[in-house]
Amino acid sequence: AQKITQTQPGMFVQEKEAVTLDCTYDTSDQSYGLFWYKQPSSGEMIFLIYQGSYDEQNATEGRYSLNFQKARKSANLVISASQLGDSAMYFCAMRDFNQAGTALIFGKGTTLSVSS
Amino acid sequence: DVKVTQSSRYLVKRTGEKVFLECVQDMDHENMFWYRQDPGLGLRLIYFSYDVKMKEKGDIPEGYSVSREKKERFSLILESASTNQTSMYLCASSHGLAGAEQYFGPGTRLTVT
Repeated sequence: AQKITQTQPGMFVQEKEAVTLDCTYDTSDQSYGLFWYKQPSSGEMIFLIYQGSYDEQNATEGRYSLNFQKARKSANLVISASQLGDSAMYFCAMRDFNQAGTALIFGKGTTLSVSS
Repeated sequence: DVKVTQSSRYLVKRTGEKVFLECVQDMDHENMFWYRQDPGLGLRLIYFSYDVKMKEKGDIPEGYSVSREKKERFSLILESASTNQTSMYLCASSHGLAGAEQYFGPGTRLTVT
Protein backbone atom coordinates (compact mmCIF):
# COMPACT_ATOMS: atom_id res chain seq x y z
CA ALA A 1 0.00 0.00 0.00
CA GLN A 2 1.10 3.52 -0.68
CA LYS A 3 2.20 5.62 2.23
CA ILE A 4 3.51 9.11 2.84
CA THR A 5 5.65 9.85 5.91
CA GLN A 6 6.38 13.31 7.25
CA THR A 7 8.55 12.89 10.32
CA GLN A 8 8.68 16.51 11.46
CA PRO A 9 5.55 17.52 13.37
CA GLY A 10 6.87 21.07 13.69
CA MET A 11 9.67 23.18 12.27
CA PHE A 12 10.89 26.61 13.32
CA VAL A 13 12.82 29.01 11.11
CA GLN A 14 13.74 32.67 11.06
CA GLU A 15 12.73 35.02 8.30
CA LYS A 16 14.97 34.95 5.22
CA GLU A 17 16.41 31.55 6.11
CA ALA A 18 15.87 28.45 3.99
CA VAL A 19 14.02 25.46 5.41
CA THR A 20 13.60 21.86 4.28
CA LEU A 21 10.46 19.89 5.05
CA ASP A 22 10.96 16.16 4.83
CA CYS A 23 8.76 13.70 2.98
CA THR A 24 9.33 10.04 2.23
CA TYR A 25 6.96 7.81 0.34
CA ASP A 26 6.36 4.17 -0.28
CA THR A 27 5.02 2.70 -3.48
CA SER A 28 5.70 -0.32 -5.64
CA ASP A 29 4.68 1.48 -8.82
CA GLN A 30 7.03 3.21 -11.22
CA SER A 31 4.60 5.86 -12.39
CA TYR A 32 3.42 8.33 -9.76
CA GLY A 33 3.28 11.99 -8.86
CA LEU A 34 4.26 13.88 -5.74
CA PHE A 35 2.55 17.05 -4.54
CA TRP A 36 3.03 19.61 -1.79
CA TYR A 37 0.17 21.66 -0.35
CA LYS A 38 0.15 24.52 2.13
CA GLN A 39 -2.66 25.01 4.63
CA PRO A 40 -2.65 28.37 6.45
CA SER A 41 -4.68 28.88 9.61
CA SER A 42 -7.63 29.92 7.45
CA GLY A 43 -7.95 26.27 6.45
CA GLU A 44 -7.75 26.46 2.65
CA MET A 45 -5.44 23.98 0.92
CA ILE A 46 -3.09 25.68 -1.52
CA PHE A 47 -1.21 23.70 -4.15
CA LEU A 48 2.51 24.52 -4.19
CA ILE A 49 4.48 22.18 -6.41
CA TYR A 50 4.35 18.91 -8.36
CA GLN A 51 6.98 16.33 -9.36
CA GLY A 52 6.35 13.39 -11.66
CA SER A 53 8.29 10.19 -11.08
CA TYR A 54 9.77 10.35 -14.58
CA ASP A 55 10.76 14.00 -14.38
CA GLU A 56 14.53 14.22 -14.48
CA GLN A 57 14.78 17.75 -13.17
CA ASN A 58 13.71 18.76 -9.68
CA ALA A 59 10.56 20.88 -9.79
CA THR A 60 10.78 24.55 -8.85
CA GLU A 61 8.08 27.18 -8.37
CA GLY A 62 9.38 30.53 -7.23
CA ARG A 63 10.76 30.11 -3.71
CA TYR A 64 9.66 26.48 -3.58
CA SER A 65 11.71 23.60 -4.89
CA LEU A 66 11.27 19.87 -4.55
CA ASN A 67 14.37 17.84 -3.79
CA PHE A 68 13.40 14.56 -5.47
CA GLN A 69 15.59 11.55 -4.73
CA LYS A 70 13.89 8.62 -6.38
CA ALA A 71 16.19 5.88 -5.13
CA ARG A 72 15.67 7.03 -1.55
CA LYS A 73 11.94 7.63 -2.16
CA SER A 74 12.12 11.11 -0.77
CA ALA A 75 10.51 14.32 -1.98
CA ASN A 76 11.57 17.08 0.37
CA LEU A 77 10.19 20.60 0.00
CA VAL A 78 12.73 23.41 0.19
CA ILE A 79 11.51 26.92 0.90
CA SER A 80 14.14 29.55 0.27
CA ALA A 81 14.14 32.96 1.97
CA SER A 82 11.30 32.19 4.39
CA GLN A 83 8.66 34.83 4.98
CA LEU A 84 6.24 35.33 7.88
CA GLY A 85 3.41 34.38 5.54
CA ASP A 86 4.97 30.93 5.10
CA SER A 87 3.80 29.98 8.60
CA ALA A 88 1.33 27.19 7.94
CA MET A 89 0.82 23.43 7.87
CA TYR A 90 2.48 21.71 4.90
CA PHE A 91 1.31 18.42 3.46
CA CYS A 92 3.14 16.05 1.16
CA ALA A 93 0.93 13.86 -1.03
CA MET A 94 1.26 11.31 -3.80
CA ARG A 95 -0.82 9.65 -6.47
CA ASP A 96 -0.03 6.32 -8.07
CA PHE A 97 -0.95 6.62 -11.72
CA ASN A 98 -1.41 2.90 -12.16
CA GLN A 99 -3.94 2.57 -9.39
CA ALA A 100 -7.65 2.75 -10.07
CA GLY A 101 -8.90 6.24 -9.42
CA THR A 102 -6.80 9.34 -8.95
CA ALA A 103 -7.09 10.24 -5.28
CA LEU A 104 -4.15 11.73 -3.41
CA ILE A 105 -2.67 10.04 -0.36
CA PHE A 106 -1.53 12.59 2.22
CA GLY A 107 1.06 12.62 4.96
CA LYS A 108 0.18 13.87 8.43
CA GLY A 109 1.70 17.27 7.83
CA THR A 110 4.42 19.52 9.21
CA THR A 111 3.67 22.80 10.96
CA LEU A 112 6.12 25.51 9.94
CA SER A 113 6.56 28.57 12.12
CA VAL A 114 8.50 31.52 10.75
CA SER A 115 9.68 34.18 13.20
CA SER A 116 11.06 37.66 12.61
CA ASP B 1 -9.92 30.85 -11.34
CA VAL B 2 -10.97 27.38 -10.35
CA LYS B 3 -13.55 27.52 -7.65
CA VAL B 4 -14.68 24.78 -5.33
CA THR B 5 -17.38 25.81 -2.92
CA GLN B 6 -18.84 24.02 0.06
CA SER B 7 -22.30 24.68 1.39
CA SER B 8 -21.28 25.59 4.94
CA ARG B 9 -18.10 26.66 6.76
CA TYR B 10 -19.44 25.62 10.15
CA LEU B 11 -22.17 23.15 10.99
CA VAL B 12 -23.51 21.85 14.31
CA LYS B 13 -25.70 18.76 14.29
CA ARG B 14 -27.11 16.39 16.84
CA THR B 15 -26.28 12.71 17.16
CA GLY B 16 -28.49 10.63 14.91
CA GLU B 17 -29.33 13.41 12.46
CA LYS B 18 -28.88 12.92 8.74
CA VAL B 19 -26.32 15.43 7.48
CA PHE B 20 -25.71 16.62 3.93
CA LEU B 21 -22.49 18.35 2.93
CA GLU B 22 -22.57 19.83 -0.54
CA CYS B 23 -19.67 20.60 -2.83
CA VAL B 24 -19.78 22.38 -6.18
CA GLN B 25 -16.96 23.01 -8.65
CA ASP B 26 -17.08 25.27 -11.68
CA MET B 27 -14.23 23.92 -13.81
CA ASP B 28 -15.86 20.91 -15.44
CA HIS B 29 -13.55 18.55 -13.54
CA GLU B 30 -14.14 14.83 -13.93
CA ASN B 31 -12.92 13.89 -10.47
CA MET B 32 -14.29 14.95 -7.11
CA PHE B 33 -13.20 13.92 -3.64
CA TRP B 34 -14.25 14.09 -0.02
CA TYR B 35 -11.57 14.08 2.68
CA ARG B 36 -11.73 14.27 6.39
CA GLN B 37 -9.00 16.13 8.30
CA ASP B 38 -8.24 15.47 11.96
CA PRO B 39 -5.30 16.76 14.03
CA GLY B 40 -2.31 14.46 13.83
CA LEU B 41 -3.92 12.27 11.16
CA GLY B 42 -3.62 14.45 8.06
CA LEU B 43 -6.24 14.14 5.34
CA ARG B 44 -7.98 10.83 4.88
CA LEU B 45 -10.03 9.99 1.82
CA ILE B 46 -13.67 9.12 2.44
CA TYR B 47 -15.02 8.72 -1.10
CA PHE B 48 -14.22 9.92 -4.56
CA SER B 49 -16.00 10.05 -7.89
CA TYR B 50 -14.46 9.98 -11.37
CA ASP B 51 -17.68 10.52 -13.29
CA VAL B 52 -21.34 11.29 -12.81
CA LYS B 53 -23.07 8.55 -10.82
CA MET B 54 -19.72 6.78 -10.28
CA LYS B 55 -18.17 6.50 -6.85
CA GLU B 56 -15.33 4.69 -5.18
CA LYS B 57 -14.70 4.08 -1.50
CA GLY B 58 -11.66 5.67 0.05
CA ASP B 59 -9.86 4.70 3.22
CA ILE B 60 -12.63 5.53 5.72
CA PRO B 61 -16.07 5.17 4.04
CA GLU B 62 -17.88 3.68 7.04
CA GLY B 63 -20.77 5.84 8.19
CA TYR B 64 -20.75 7.92 5.00
CA SER B 65 -22.34 7.79 1.58
CA VAL B 66 -22.05 10.06 -1.45
CA SER B 67 -24.08 11.20 -4.40
CA ARG B 68 -23.03 12.64 -7.74
CA GLU B 69 -26.03 13.28 -9.96
CA LYS B 70 -24.42 16.17 -11.85
CA LYS B 71 -20.83 16.64 -12.88
CA GLU B 72 -20.33 19.81 -10.87
CA ARG B 73 -21.84 18.62 -7.60
CA PHE B 74 -20.66 15.98 -5.13
CA SER B 75 -22.55 15.44 -1.90
CA LEU B 76 -21.37 13.72 1.26
CA ILE B 77 -24.07 12.20 3.43
CA LEU B 78 -23.80 11.18 7.04
CA GLU B 79 -26.74 8.82 7.40
CA SER B 80 -26.83 9.00 11.20
CA ALA B 81 -24.31 11.46 12.59
CA SER B 82 -22.17 10.36 15.52
CA THR B 83 -19.80 12.32 17.75
CA ASN B 84 -16.78 10.60 16.21
CA GLN B 85 -17.68 12.25 12.92
CA THR B 86 -16.90 15.66 14.38
CA SER B 87 -14.17 16.85 12.03
CA MET B 88 -13.13 19.16 9.21
CA TYR B 89 -14.45 17.97 5.85
CA LEU B 90 -12.66 19.03 2.69
CA CYS B 91 -13.97 18.65 -0.83
CA ALA B 92 -11.62 18.68 -3.83
CA SER B 93 -11.83 18.34 -7.58
CA SER B 94 -9.40 17.71 -10.41
CA HIS B 95 -9.18 16.88 -14.09
CA GLY B 96 -8.77 13.25 -14.97
CA LEU B 97 -5.15 13.73 -16.09
CA ALA B 98 -2.59 11.77 -14.10
CA GLY B 99 -0.57 14.76 -12.94
CA ALA B 100 -3.47 17.10 -12.37
CA GLU B 101 -3.50 18.94 -9.08
CA GLN B 102 -6.50 18.84 -6.83
CA TYR B 103 -8.31 22.07 -6.04
CA PHE B 104 -9.82 22.26 -2.60
CA GLY B 105 -12.86 23.96 -1.17
CA PRO B 106 -12.65 26.02 2.04
CA GLY B 107 -13.77 23.13 4.24
CA THR B 108 -16.74 22.49 6.52
CA ARG B 109 -16.10 22.19 10.23
CA LEU B 110 -18.76 19.80 11.47
CA THR B 111 -19.52 19.39 15.15
CA VAL B 112 -21.82 16.56 16.23
CA THR B 113 -23.16 16.92 19.77
